[in-house]
Amino acid sequence: DGGITQSPKYLFRKEGQNVTLSCEQNLNHDAMYWYRQDPGQGLRLIYYSQIVNDFQKGDIAEGYSVSREKKESFPLTVTSAQKNPTAFYLCASSIGVIGELFFGEGSRLTVL
Amino acid sequence: GENVEQHPSTLSVQEGDSAVIKCTYSDSASNYFPWYKQELGKGPQLIIDIRSNVGEKKDQRIAVTLNKTAKHFSLHITETQPEDSAVYFCAASALSGGYNKLIFGAGTRLAVHP
Repeated sequence: DGGITQSPKYLFRKEGQNVTLSCEQNLNHDAMYWYRQDPGQGLRLIYYSQIVNDFQKGDIAEGYSVSREKKESFPLTVTSAQKNPTAFYLCASSIGVIGELFFGEGSRLTVL
Repeated sequence: GENVEQHPSTLSVQEGDSAVIKCTYSDSASNYFPWYKQELGKGPQLIIDIRSNVGEKKDQRIAVTLNKTAKHFSLHITETQPEDSAVYFCAASALSGGYNKLIFGAGTRLAVHP
């Protein structure tokens, strides 16, 4: 089945540690995105990539980093510089620039 | 910057009633308006979308209306069922730094009671 796979589903980390969230898609989509979801705040864009080896900062990129070395993969690293990293993280992809987003099931990160 | 406001934040209806969720957007250049449904523990899924050249779109029990002059759009769910219970997000497209992106509303938690 085609889709977006995020891992891990749940992750606990100590303060000051970097953590990498995985996102893989087999939909052959060019564009991929990372969103952060907090209660009552909707989805906020962290980073997006419209093509391999290219990515752009979204609205809340500080403390995060990404890479796009392969079309199907768009990992997100939450660094120790992120002041409040505990959140639900969603990865998505789309065929083109503006159109339906296909979301993964999310990764819930808790920093202790 | 671009902003999308969504109301209400929570909505409780009886099964069979209608539910309406409203969104307003700030960027007059927005031309794409999707609605997503998120069930507990899942990622959001597109349920309906509308582009700026259309005023209304319907898909079975779900409809979306768009008023570009007033910069608002609404989701209408008729004959609600318990399985409609979820969080619904509206979004509007926005051009930023040469790239198109979606700005999401804060979400509406819909509860349909049997």
